[in-house]
Amino acid sequence: GAGVSQSPSNKVTEKGKDVELRCDPISGHTALYWYRQSLGQGLEFLIYFQGNSAPDKSGLPSDRFSAERTGGSVSTLTIQRTQQEDSAVYLCASSSSPGTGFEQFFGPGTRLTVL
Amino acid sequence: GEDVEQSLFLSVREGDSSVINCTYTDSSSTYLYWYKQEPGAGLQLLTYIFSNMDMKQDQRLTVLLNKKDKHLSLRIADTQTGDSAIYFCAEKGSNTGKLIFGQGTTLQVKP
Repeated sequence: GAGVSQSPSNKVTEKGKDVELRCDPISGHTALYWYRQSLGQGLEFLIYFQGNSAPDKSGLPSDRFSAERTGGSVSTLTIQRTQQEDSAVYLCASSSSPGTGFEQFFGPGTRLTVL
Repeated sequence: GEDVEQSLFLSVREGDSSVINCTYTDSSSTYLYWYKQEPGAGLQLLTYIFSNMDMKQDQRLTVLLNKKDKHLSLRIADTQTGDSAIYFCAEKGSNTGKLIFGQGTTLQVKP
């Protein structure tokens, strides 16, 4: 099926290392979102991209977090100098139009563990 | 800022109705959503309601929205063991695509 895919499914890293998480949205979807799910914090919005507009970065917790979306399709979330509190499941979603009730389709997530 | 609150746990017997409640603070919310997350699975949209509606029914699911009190509920009729999951309430404000989620309510259905 042509759902949202994410890679890797699991990532274990050492504190202080950089990590890159990848998201492949559903083909044709113009909007792409990153969220993270962690114990104690629930599901938090991180960043979203809509077409060629400047991304909404209001949910990024620190300047160690950044994201890119190349060619309006694939997105990469980068976490620099990882900390133990970055351990969480990082979820990507895409939708065909963010301005309506259009469903956000979620990927299976990447489970990040920072030792 | 925006905030969405849910109770964390609900236990019901198979065949009973389940009611999961949610409150939110953003008065500019345009859409409100219920997502379901089963163990080891991704988030699945169950239903959503536009903010100018009071109620939406979809088979066993009934969503009630009280915009004045900023209160949303999800009623599941004839709850089955397969309904056991975590249910997330979420709201979307105007002029944005991002969703603000509640903490999730774990629904336990006992046979």
